[in-house]
Amino acid sequence: GAGVSQSPRYKVAKRGQDVALRCDPISGHVSLFWYQQALGQGPEFLTYFQNEAQLDKSGLPSDRFFAERPEGSVSTLKIQRTQQEDSAVYLCASSSSARPGTGELFFGEGSRLTVL
Amino acid sequence: KQEVTQIPAALSVPEGENLVLNCSFTDSAIYNLQWFRQDPGKGLTSLLLIQSSQREQTSGRLNASLDKSSGRSTLYIAASQPGDSATYLCAVNSNTGKLIFGQGTTLQVKP
Repeated sequence: GAGVSQSPRYKVAKRGQDVALRCDPISGHVSLFWYQQALGQGPEFLTYFQNEAQLDKSGLPSDRFFAERPEGSVSTLKIQRTQQEDSAVYLCASSSSARPGTGELFFGEGSRLTVL
Repeated sequence: KQEVTQIPAALSVPEGENLVLNCSFTDSAIYNLQWFRQDPGKGLTSLLLIQSSQREQTSGRLNASLDKSSGRSTLYIAASQPGDSATYLCAVNSNTGKLIFGQGTTLQVKP
């Protein structure tokens, strides 16, 4: 596609529910990143994929967070048993570069999660 | 641990002014630095990417400079317009592949 596409754009969940957020990267982009952005803050790194391999998941805040990219294109970020502190915008980014740190990142519009 | 700081946190200027946004980082071992724009409720739009070997990049009314040795970058906006109102984020990229972001500068350009 022309850009990074994320869905849903908005999600309201009751505390304890599971949610799944989807990211469609730019076609052909090897690298895919997930970031979490709290209100008024800069984005913070969650996890990184190179094709289908999850090379870095050091930013995932707890074992309730899980990400996958099974075929090396679309990625899903899953949050189990959501808590109020999970409320944030979840941003996906992709890059054509396979070398970590060298490429320009292109971001989607984000999925805004509100946990009640 | 890399830390990125942006000053000021907020800035309000009259239309037509030239302005400078500042970004500093603690670890000079970076691959590149990227400036983004974020409108309320929107994602990030890439403005300029400066590789570590470069000193500056220009796009239209925007000019970004990089002084890696001192850990600083500036984003210069010429002849500001109300449409420039947004939050501007800088982020550094090291060999870990993670972008480390500052907290942003929220700019308001008044007509």
